[in-house]
Amino acid sequence: AQKVTQAQTEISVVEKEDVTLDCVYETRDTTYYLFWYKQPPSGELVFLIRRNSFDEQNEISGRYSWNFQKSTSSFNFTITASQVVDSAVYFCALSEARNYGQNFVFGPGTRLSVLP
Amino acid sequence: EAGVTQFPSHSVIEKGQTVTLRCDPISGHDNLYWYRRVMGKEIKFLLHFVKESKQDESGMPNNRFLAERTGGTYSTLKVQPAELEDSGVYFCASSELRVNTEAFFGQGTRLTVV
Repeated sequence: AQKVTQAQTEISVVEKEDVTLDCVYETRDTTYYLFWYKQPPSGELVFLIRRNSFDEQNEISGRYSWNFQKSTSSFNFTITASQVVDSAVYFCALSEARNYGQNFVFGPGTRLSVLP
Repeated sequence: EAGVTQFPSHSVIEKGQTVTLRCDPISGHDNLYWYRRVMGKEIKFLLHFVKESKQDESGMPNNRFLAERTGGTYSTLKVQPAELEDSGVYFCASSELRVNTEAFFGQGTRLTVV
């Protein structure tokens, strides 16, 4: 069975601090995909990144970076120099590779509050 | 290009009533998914359409929930009769019909059953 754990329910930081959101996953599949989505106060889920199981190279996109460690089944997300606009709920998700698209298993989410 | 749109954004109904949620996917997206998040818990998969066919409906909680996607375009999710535990946010997502593709989510419909 697939499972995603986000142990941090809520995190509060002061603006300009760095913050790391943890994600640990479980799957028996050898091919799978990992995702991060952001849910701002407006409610929609905004795609941030997709990573497949064969690509362990870390990625940086502006202030965002992701650390994929297959050995520990983790896919952590770091925001550098956090800003108030980063305040949101962040979801880590896992999907197996299928012929017709994907069926996500989401973690419970981490609510990040960035204080001015 | 329009994203995934959901109607209504909020709905408050009484227990026992019927509610129909609508999702308009991105044009050309054959995959359409329904998810829901109940009381701050995980976002749970409900079902998956490929065009007008139900590919996977293993997440549908019970027979009070009926999803349709006639013509393979927009989809509706009907809850009849609604119960208190159905309260939550219902998300729709769509994606192209290929592996390793990004799924785009709508803003969700917040359903409150009182």
